[in-house]
Amino acid sequence: AQTVTQSQPEMSVQEAETVTLSCTYDTSESDYYLFWYKQPPSRQMILVIRQEAYKQQNATENRFSVNFQKAAKSFSLKISDSQLGDAAMYFCAYRSALILHSSGGSNYKLTFGKGTLLTVNP
Amino acid sequence: ETGVTQTPRHLVMGMTNKKSLKCEQHLGHNAMYWYKQSAKKPLELMFVYNFKEQTENNSVPSRFSPECPNSSHLFLHLHTLQPEDSALYLCASSQIGGRAYEQYFGPGTRLTVT
Repeated sequence: AQTVTQSQPEMSVQEAETVTLSCTYDTSESDYYLFWYKQPPSRQMILVIRQEAYKQQNATENRFSVNFQKAAKSFSLKISDSQLGDAAMYFCAYRSALILHSSGGSNYKLTFGKGTLLTVNP
Repeated sequence: ETGVTQTPRHLVMGMTNKKSLKCEQHLGHNAMYWYKQSAKKPLELMFVYNFKEQTENNSVPSRFSPECPNSSHLFLHLHTLQPEDSALYLCASSQIGGRAYEQYFGPGTRLTVT
């Protein structure tokens, strides 16, 4: 079974600074997806960024980028030029890319870490 | 409305009550999920529905009963709950097939069992 570990329960950053959130995972699969989700105080979980394991290039979405180290099974999120609106709980998640038709879709489930609460100080 | 909606947003119920949570997705997806989010614990997948068929039940107690009448609606029927069932219940949907990717989440229902 896959596991996802976020070792930082809480992090803080000054506005306009850069912060990196850590995530490690354990899997025996070679093809999978990794995600970072953001859950602001309003509770709507939204996708921040996605990485496909077969792609060597790190994903980037505006101020958000990842450092994907497949051999080390590490998937950190870097937020540049932090803004007050970035304050939220951030979850790292894993999903197998293996399509098992017999599973009825259950292999599409996400395995989440416990989350990192990010505070942005003005 | 767009995306994934959930009602009610807040629910307080006694242990002997029966209530239902509702989820609706407006994204044309064919899979829906129920998650439980408790403090200081990872999100726990409860149920998966694929084309209205339940394909996964992660050892969820029978006091939680899901229902998926069509691919756009998902319910979670609750009865004789325990205080430890108090949590945020999140619904999500996704498209299954090809190299479909992420799940889209609703805002959640904050459930308090007294």
